[in-house]
Amino acid sequence: SQQGEEDPQALSIQEGENATMNCSYKTSINNLQWYRQNSGRGLVHLILIRSNEREKHSGRLRVTLDTSKKSSSLLITASRAADTASYFCATGENSGNTPLVFGKGTRLSVIA
Amino acid sequence: GAVVSQHPSWVICKSGTSVKIECRSLDFQATTMFWYRQFPKQSLMLMATSNEGSKATYEQGVEKDKFLINHASLTLSTLTVTSAHPEDSSFYICSARERQGITTYGYTFGSGTRLTVV
Repeated sequence: SQQGEEDPQALSIQEGENATMNCSYKTSINNLQWYRQNSGRGLVHLILIRSNEREKHSGRLRVTLDTSKKSSSLLITASRAADTASYFCATGENSGNTPLVFGKGTRLSVIA
Repeated sequence: GAVVSQHPSWVICKSGTSVKIECRSLDFQATTMFWYRQFPKQSLMLMATSNEGSKATYEQGVEKDKFLINHASLTLSTLTVTSAHPEDSSFYICSARERQGITTYGYTFGSGTRLTVV
């Protein structure tokens, strides 16, 4: 099953612009992670934010988490053509047998 | 860091044949392996959860007799697609959790297998 929706489903921007993707989830979580996937390829882990954190930065990435609204956002600043990919949020728990549950993803196209 | 090696990266097979996909944890013991399937332009959908030495737990709608999962050791899990049909064509990806608590990320993914059934 999937946690919820990612918004928008597709996003097209010009190089240099910022890209914001949102993710909502349904259940209580221990952490939320964002992944990137280039077309037909595997997943690349971008960033993890724990449930007691509200914001986290990594390079050009900024992730926020609002547990009261059960939502998260991923901001990519100064986008590049190489950022073109699908982006997925995934929620996880600490117990060993629970899988990551993925959102539906946002397909980002950065036009040079 | 933790690495999961998944093979093959792509395979083309004839309808009716079986295909085996392997995932090996290279530098850690994976007591739990998750198998996902991803259709084009869609998200990853969990197929099953396997624990070393026990039977896999399948998600609703996933045929356990068609998708055979074996997790006989702490470093190897396999998914066999039996009597494959064109509708089984998809991207299959495994994910492992490390035995001693969680890694920095908690989950380690294989690089995926693109299965095309003709």
